[in-house]
Amino acid sequence: GQNIDQPTEMTATEGAIVQINCTYQTSGFNGLFWYQQHAGEAPTFLSYNVLDGLEEKGRFSSFLSRSKGYSYLLLKELQMKDSASYLCAPLSGAGSYQLTFGKGTKLSVIP
Amino acid sequence: EAQVTQNPRYLITVTGKKLTVTCSQNMNHEYMSWYRQDPGLGLRQIYYSMNVEVTDKGDVPEGYKVSRKEKRNFPLILESPSPNQTSLYFCASSSDSRGPYNEQFFGPGTRLTVL
Repeated sequence: GQNIDQPTEMTATEGAIVQINCTYQTSGFNGLFWYQQHAGEAPTFLSYNVLDGLEEKGRFSSFLSRSKGYSYLLLKELQMKDSASYLCAPLSGAGSYQLTFGKGTKLSVIP
Repeated sequence: EAQVTQNPRYLITVTGKKLTVTCSQNMNHEYMSWYRQDPGLGLRQIYYSMNVEVTDKGDVPEGYKVSRKEKRNFPLILESPSPNQTSLYFCASSSDSRGPYNEQFFGPGTRLTVL
């Protein structure tokens, strides 16, 4: 199965930039999702990367390196509402696809 | 409004008493899935369905059953619940029948406690 590694917790200051890293196993890799989950709520989709490189979407950007089994989520101009868990989820398989979620990185934004 | 609904949102029950958690989506999605979320373990997939009458096991299917008789509904059945099934459960759907290839839309969650 997938072995996904992302930091358990991070703290950053309002207005700053934070990078959340994720490493995963490359076998059968198809793409990688990032989801945001506020405490007690459902996960919501942030991004999906298939190709190498950086994809920007407003204050959030996601980077993928397929050969290195590495991705990161970049959050700019942090706001208090960005305090949440961020889940890295690689998609793998052929024909029958398996999505495995990492344990998540809990980000706390402080004033 | 496009959404995934789950019922009940909260449930406290006792060991061995059969229960069903309903899940419904109004987006005409083909792929549906059930996850459980436990502290320190993250989201783990229980069962998924690629289409009507097509279901398959995820990572942690033991103690659970599902059915997909209609496209919009995907109930989760616990025939004989045990305390280790105390968890937060999420239903999700996606428009891609190949699996979770697209963004998944999650329901609000069902917090289940088994005493």
